[in-house]
Amino acid sequence: AQSVAQPEDQVNVAEGNPLTVKCTYSVSGNPYLFWYVQYPNRGLQFLLKYITGDNLVKGSYGFEAEFNKSQTSFHLKKPSALVSDSALYFCAVREAGGGADGLTFGKGTHLIIQP
Amino acid sequence: DAGVIQSPRHEVTEMGQEVTLRCKPISGHDYLFWYRQTMMRGLELLIYFNNNVPIDDSGMPEDRFSAKMPNASFSTLKIQPSEPRDSAVYFCASSLVAGGYNEQFFGPGTRLTVL
Repeated sequence: AQSVAQPEDQVNVAEGNPLTVKCTYSVSGNPYLFWYVQYPNRGLQFLLKYITGDNLVKGSYGFEAEFNKSQTSFHLKKPSALVSDSALYFCAVREAGGGADGLTFGKGTHLIIQP
Repeated sequence: DAGVIQSPRHEVTEMGQEVTLRCKPISGHDYLFWYRQTMMRGLELLIYFNNNVPIDDSGMPEDRFSAKMPNASFSTLKIQPSEPRDSAVYFCASSLVAGGYNEQFFGPGTRLTVL
């Protein structure tokens, strides 16, 4: 079985400061990892994914994430936060080569950027 | 492309009534997913289709829920009879077939309220 944990319900960051949203995962084999963002009353939007290769993945809106296999983590980062980054962020996993095609999502982390 | 289209955006109904949610995936996408989002349970995968065929419906909560995909451009999720605990936001998503590493594209969701 595959699972995702987002240990923080909410992260507060001052505008201009770096931000990190944490994610750890559990799969039997190798993971495909994804980050999505959800703005109020909207569907989820894809930010970035890790499939293979370079552990540092760059995505939309200046976000990046670092895959750490030994720590089974895939933390989302941004060097300088914007107020417009305030949203709900989801980490998701799928086992590479697994039979299931559906994504398993974490509970989500509310990111609040304070002016 | 218009993206994934869902209708209605909001649905308010009374307990015991039949509810039908509709989804049009992105053209050319061979996978279609139905998710449910609640505060308590987060995002849950209900069912997904590959080339219009249901592959995994293990997430469907009970027999009151059913989903169909009569062709590549249309899917429905039906709840009959509806209950207050079915109140949630229901998302449809689609993705390409080429491997499990493809990201899913989400529709705007249908907010269902059962009174």
